[in-house]
Amino acid sequence: KAGVTQTPRYLIKTRGQQVTLSCSPISGHRSVSWYQQTPGQGLQFLFEYFSETQRNKGNFPGRFSGRQFSNSRSEMNVSTLELGDSALYLCASSRGGGGINEQFFGPGTRLTVL
Amino acid sequence: AQTVTQSQPEMSVQEAETVTLSCTYDTSESDYYLFWYKQPPSRQMILVIRQEAYKQQNATENRFSVNFQKAAKSFSLKISDSQLGDAAMYFCAYRIILTGGGNKLTFGTGTQLKVEL
Repeated sequence: KAGVTQTPRYLIKTRGQQVTLSCSPISGHRSVSWYQQTPGQGLQFLFEYFSETQRNKGNFPGRFSGRQFSNSRSEMNVSTLELGDSALYLCASSRGGGGINEQFFGPGTRLTVL
Repeated sequence: AQTVTQSQPEMSVQEAETVTLSCTYDTSESDYYLFWYKQPPSRQMILVIRQEAYKQQNATENRFSVNFQKAAKSFSLKISDSQLGDAAMYFCAYRIILTGGGNKLTFGTGTQLKVEL
């Protein structure tokens, strides 16, 4: 079974631009969560999508948005990029039902904002 | 708000020895899930072990086991017979059980584990 895939793996943008990151979950998984990892703030939850609906949201500004498609693939968009948005962005997928519901992480997208 | 604290930024262990990584958390919930994740230099997060708070029995996965003390809100990870491949950043994580379901993990700051020959 293929794991979680994220594209692109590396991205360089300049301040003020916008960026879209993609995450393809494991087949059969309906939940996709996004996390931001930085040296200063650590791992922080951005949002979770389940069956094309945002189910949970972290404390990030509105510049960070996402969506999920009918095939469970998810995209995350960051508009008006700031230097502080430089980070490793991880997505994780799970079946999304009840119970402990293990999350499987992708390899991440490394975003550098210049 | 829930918080997760890992007080050991770095730990070292000799190969084949045992090491324990500490984690405490703060929550007012009575039921939740706890996890330990490993992040090697490749940055791929890998689930090491998980624990449901309602289960008193400590979880075990091969060389990895936890000491879950619910009253003390403590969730330490013990790695036995340490191997070079265990060298990584280890994150403790908490997940609240939400009425509508959901996968919102709160992570600690991590412990960098070094394994020495």
